[in-house]
Amino acid sequence: SQQGEEDPQALSIQEGENATMNCSYKTSINNLQWYRQNSGRGLVHLILIRSNEREKHSGRLRVTLDTSKKSSSLLITASRAADTASYFCATDPGAGSYQLTFGKGTKLSVIP
Amino acid sequence: DAGVIQSPRHEVTEMGQEVTLRCKPISGHDYLFWYRQTMMRGLELLIYFNNNVPIDDSGMPEDRFSAKMPNASFSTLKIQPSEPRDSAVYFCASRGKARELFFGEGSRLTVL
Repeated sequence: SQQGEEDPQALSIQEGENATMNCSYKTSINNLQWYRQNSGRGLVHLILIRSNEREKHSGRLRVTLDTSKKSSSLLITASRAADTASYFCATDPGAGSYQLTFGKGTKLSVIP
Repeated sequence: DAGVIQSPRHEVTEMGQEVTLRCKPISGHDYLFWYRQTMMRGLELLIYFNNNVPIDDSGMPEDRFSAKMPNASFSTLKIQPSEPRDSAVYFCASRGKARELFFGEGSRLTVL
């Protein structure tokens, strides 16, 4: 079953603009992770935020987590054409479970 | 490190044929996961192993699917007999110390 639900399903922006993607989930988590998938390739891990963290940065990426609302957002600043990809959130329940459950992703297109 | 290696990258087969997909995880990773990705259902976890032992195969769709991990550096996913609805991209992933997943490039299966 799908735990994370990304929003929007698709996003098209101009190069240089910021891109924000949202993820909502249903059950408690140990951490939440974001992945990128370029067309025809495997998923690549971007960033992990633990349940006791509210915000995390990595280069041009900023992730927030609101466990009370069971939601997370991924912000990509100053987007580049190379950021064009699908982005997935994945929830990790921890507590003895080792299954990451992925949403269906947001397809981001950055227009040069 | 070479990352997670999957083969074949593409497989086209006739309905009823046996299909074997192969995976070599990252050395030292003790968890290995098999996922299936389709447009309709997104990423679905099929089965995962810990130290070569299958832990949860509840995602395996039917008895036609089987997976093995004879040693820490090799796993197979077998479909016998294959059906057109098995057409999908199959990913293998191994887990890093921070619980993040490292994916292979996937095996795109087309069953005619």
